[in-house]
Amino acid sequence: DAKTTQPPSMDCAEGRAANLPCNHSTISGNEYVYWYRQIHSQGPQYIIHGLKNNETNEMASLIITEDRKSSTLILPHATLRDTAVYYCIVGRANTGNQFYFGTGTSLTVIP
Amino acid sequence: ETGVTQSPTHLIKTRGQQVTLRCSSQSGHNTVSWYQQALGQGPQFIFQYYREEENGRGNFPPRFSGLQFPNYSSELNVNALELDDSALYLCASQGDYSSTDTQYFGPGTRLTVL
Repeated sequence: DAKTTQPPSMDCAEGRAANLPCNHSTISGNEYVYWYRQIHSQGPQYIIHGLKNNETNEMASLIITEDRKSSTLILPHATLRDTAVYYCIVGRANTGNQFYFGTGTSLTVIP
Repeated sequence: ETGVTQSPTHLIKTRGQQVTLRCSSQSGHNTVSWYQQALGQGPQFIFQYYREEENGRGNFPPRFSGLQFPNYSSELNVNALELDDSALYLCASQGDYSSTDTQYFGPGTRLTVL
């Protein structure tokens, strides 16, 4: 079963930052937080992952709380192409990453 | 582009038939996972293969089976197809079982069972 909780849907104005929350209160010390997105039944696209420190790449930033029980994915300047379902997943990176997805957050970027 | 390919793109089968879906991982990726995604749901973990051995299985019956080959390709086989097997089937490859890297997904195969 999925070990994360996400809001089912969110809207964001184009050009603004999109902040997608995720709760993972039962996360273990050796588990990472991964974010993927899926656009209209294509394969999920990897965005970012982290263990306990905040992470940033060319797509997004990941902010993990100090107690690691929740995180936020930040898309700094949302575009219409960012409209997708976003999945937050908890997995153990060094044991093969057998991911258990929830239903994700459907993000709609509004012009 | 993830370097992970799947074939065929779409497939239509009849209830009771058998189907084989194929995945080609990135070169050097020795771990492959398969997922089933029903319409409106998140992907569900079917099983994982590491160095040609099954390494873990989700809540799927034995009629779902797989193979992994030394050339970084793999197969998902489903016997005795049921209507509820209609879904998008995804494979995902990873550099190494013990890697801190993540999984990279293919585009999926859409299976319709009539």
